[in-house]
Formats: sequence, structure tokens, C-alpha cells
Amino acid sequence: AQSVTQLDSHVSVSEGTPVLLRCNYSSSYSPSLFWYVQHPNKGLQLLLKYTSAATLVKGINGFEAEFKKSETSFHLTKPSAHMSDAAEYFCVVRGNKLTFGTGTQLKVEL
Amino acid sequence: DAMVIQNPRYQVTQFGKPVTLSCSQTLNHNVMYWYQQKSSQAPKLLFHYYDKDFNNEADTPDNFQSRRPNTSFCFLDIRSPGLGDAAMYLCATSRADAESDTQYFGPGTRLTVL
Repeated sequence: AQSVTQLDSHVSVSEGTPVLLRCNYSSSYSPSLFWYVQHPNKGLQLLLKYTSAATLVKGINGFEAEFKKSETSFHLTKPSAHMSDAAEYFCVVRGNKLTFGTGTQLKVEL
Repeated sequence: DAMVIQNPRYQVTQFGKPVTLSCSQTLNHNVMYWYQQKSSQAPKLLFHYYDKDFNNEADTPDNFQSRRPNTSFCFLDIRSPGLGDAAMYLCATSRADAESDTQYFGPGTRLTVL
């Protein structure tokens, strides 16, 4: 069985500072991993995905994530937060279906 | 430019009154999914269609049904909505059902049950 754990339910940063959203996964083999973002009352938008190619994955809006097998992690980062990044972020592992983490609410303050 | 479209965006129904939510896609994807997302929770898969083949999740209540008349459209029918069915309903599509296939989500329909 596969699972993901998002280590922080809430993260707060100042605009212009780096963002780190943490995700650990559990899988018996090399998984497919995704990060989705959800703005209030909106659907989920794909930020990026990892499917056993390059371990550093670049996504949209300046986000990237690094797959680290030794640490079973897939943390999401962005060098400089923008107010529009405030949203809920889901780390997802794909097996026979998507397994979602519990989400991290990102707050960006002026 | 819209790829996965859901109508309506907001739906209000009465307790016990059947309701149908609609999803359409312009991606020509084989697989269509319906998820339920309650407030402050992760989405939960209800069922999916691979072409015409329907796949129900084991814990999806019988109150929830689905139809897929053609490749582009998929409907979610709630036969007798209860207060606990108030949620955001998300439709998603993917090219196939392999692990590497990305799921693309629609904007969702927010269902309120009075």
C-alpha cells in the first residue's frame, strides 16, 4: 500500500521569502508523485509530477520539487513566495488510484 | 481553452431531492473520475469510468450513481441527498489508468443540501 504524509498542516511565510512544503511518501517501489494546488472554491491544478525521470522536477509558477529516495521525500519549494501562492497544497502518490496527503494550507503575508 | 468543465459550479438542493452534476472534457481522455471533497479534507474517490467500464470504490454509498453516455460527458447522480452529502464534487480525467498518467481536474461543483 502507498501513502503520503504532509508534515505541516499550515505554513506561513512572508512575501518574497522561500517556501518549503514537506511531503514524505511510502511505497514498495518507485512511485509516481504529484503536487496539486487548490485555491479557495476551485478545483485542483497540477503543479508538477515525478515519474522516475529527473529527480529535480520543475513545475509551474516557479515551484519545484526534489525526489529523494534515500529520505522517501518529495518536498515542494519556491525561492520567493507571492501573495497569489496562498492556497491548499496536496502531495499525491499514484498507485492503482491517487492517494492524497491531508494538505498543507499556505499563508503568505505582506 | 477549458479542458474539464463542470456544471453547475454551485448547486443547491433539498434533503432527499435527486440531483445531477455534470462533467465534460475536451481532452478525449479514456478515464473519467468523480471525487467528493468535504471541507478541509482531501478529495475522496467515489468511482471512475475507463471508457464504458464502471469502477465503483468499495465504500461509495449506493446513493451515488454515475453515467457516461459518451467519451466527453460523465454525470454524477445523487438519488436522495442527505445533509452529509454537502461537499465539493470534483471531476477529473486521465488519458489512461497507468501510474504515470496525470489526472486533470475540473473546477468542481459545490453542493449545498438544505
